[in-house]
Amino acid sequence: NAGVTQTPKFQVLKTGQSMTLQCAQDMNHNSMYWYRQDPGMGLRLIYYSASEGTTDKGEVPNGYNVSRLNKREFSLRLESAAPSQTSVYFCASSAGTKKETQYFGPGTRLLVL
Amino acid sequence: SQKIEQNSEALNIQEGKTATLTCNYTNYSPAYLQWYRQDPGRGPVFLLLIRENEKEKRKERLKVTFDTTLKQSLFHITASQPADSATYLCALVPSNDYKLSFGAGTTVTVRA
Repeated sequence: NAGVTQTPKFQVLKTGQSMTLQCAQDMNHNSMYWYRQDPGMGLRLIYYSASEGTTDKGEVPNGYNVSRLNKREFSLRLESAAPSQTSVYFCASSAGTKKETQYFGPGTRLLVL
Repeated sequence: SQKIEQNSEALNIQEGKTATLTCNYTNYSPAYLQWYRQDPGRGPVFLLLIRENEKEKRKERLKVTFDTTLKQSLFHITASQPADSATYLCALVPSNDYKLSFGAGTTVTVRA
């Protein structure tokens, strides 16, 4: 039981390049989330998926897109990376949408030059 | 605007002492408040959840209080150990939503 896994662990991009961050969970959770964490700031929600087949914008969605591929997988895409997207990205999951705790992946460190 | 504020300064304490962390919020009506622990280079890990109608919750050496009048939660680590050194995040769940809003965290260092 791996919990929440994320790939890659670390990535360097040049401005304008695109990439997809992958996330998978093996806990049969319905809800999945993408956050970014910047120094001195709390985790900020980028996008979330309350259940398979649905996605919705969070607090900071600009410059990102997501795909809920199936119940297990939730990917985050940067179409044209910008230096302001340099951050640590965390994927999380929860059983549902009734205020349960969230389980986080190990994070992806992204550096955009 | 909505705001969640945790101790702005890092907390350095001696082993065996009690660490007390503060989480203050404005313009929220939280139904739940959660505390997470985050170690360097890792994702947050859930520790405790307290509901708006609960005053206090305990788990082993951890204690959380929740005062909706003061709009504040206190997180206590008693008999602290060097292994408790980490960043601790508070997160609110509004009554009309299920998504978490996080504070920036407080870094605790316990000296042996």
